[in-house]
Amino acid sequence: DTAVSQTPKYLVTQMGNDKSIKCEQNLGHDTMYWYKQDSKKFLKIMFSYNNKELIINETVPNRFSPKSPDKAHLNLHINSLELGDSAVYFCASSQGPTANYGYTFGSGTRLTVV
Amino acid sequence: GENVEQHPSTLSVQEGDSAVIKCTYSDSASNYFPWYKQELGKGPQLIIDIRSNVGEKKDQRIAVTLNKTAKHFSLHITETQPEDSAVYFCAARRNSGYSTLTFGKGTMLLVSP
Repeated sequence: DTAVSQTPKYLVTQMGNDKSIKCEQNLGHDTMYWYKQDSKKFLKIMFSYNNKELIINETVPNRFSPKSPDKAHLNLHINSLELGDSAVYFCASSQGPTANYGYTFGSGTRLTVV
Repeated sequence: GENVEQHPSTLSVQEGDSAVIKCTYSDSASNYFPWYKQELGKGPQLIIDIRSNVGEKKDQRIAVTLNKTAKHFSLHITETQPEDSAVYFCAARRNSGYSTLTFGKGTMLLVSP
């Protein structure tokens, strides 16, 4: 009955490879997010989608491409992986893009680029 | 954009003591302030939130206070227990357009038995 589920939980890959992370929420929320948590635990917004539409795109390299096939799913594809991409990536969802309600986070995907 | 400062970065207390974590924000238009708890290997979990129309909110052993004039808010945990040990994040969000939560850098709380 996981509310926000991400796969895979761990991802180890070599520099230059392309990889994808998938996220699904069963809360009926309209808005989904990708956050990056670095080694110092800092959480930084990357993207936000509302009903499959991209609404927020922070200064993220264009090697990162999110896709939302429907409002319950948000995937993240990363091309030409670099060492600096190593981090934990969290998917989250909320009731709406302007509603003042908390986010529900997934359990994260730990990406290690070697 | 919004900037959220959080202090301290680490906090060690004895079981049964109180713990206080403080945050300041820069954007006076921010009006929603949640707190998250992140246990090892898990995602952040919402534990309490406060909106700018109230000054204090309490839920059992945790409470949050907000001072809009000074632009700071605090998390108070009383009667701490070892299972309270985790990283705690404050966040702020402005109520205009499509804005997201801006997080503080986190406080690692260690409660010793």
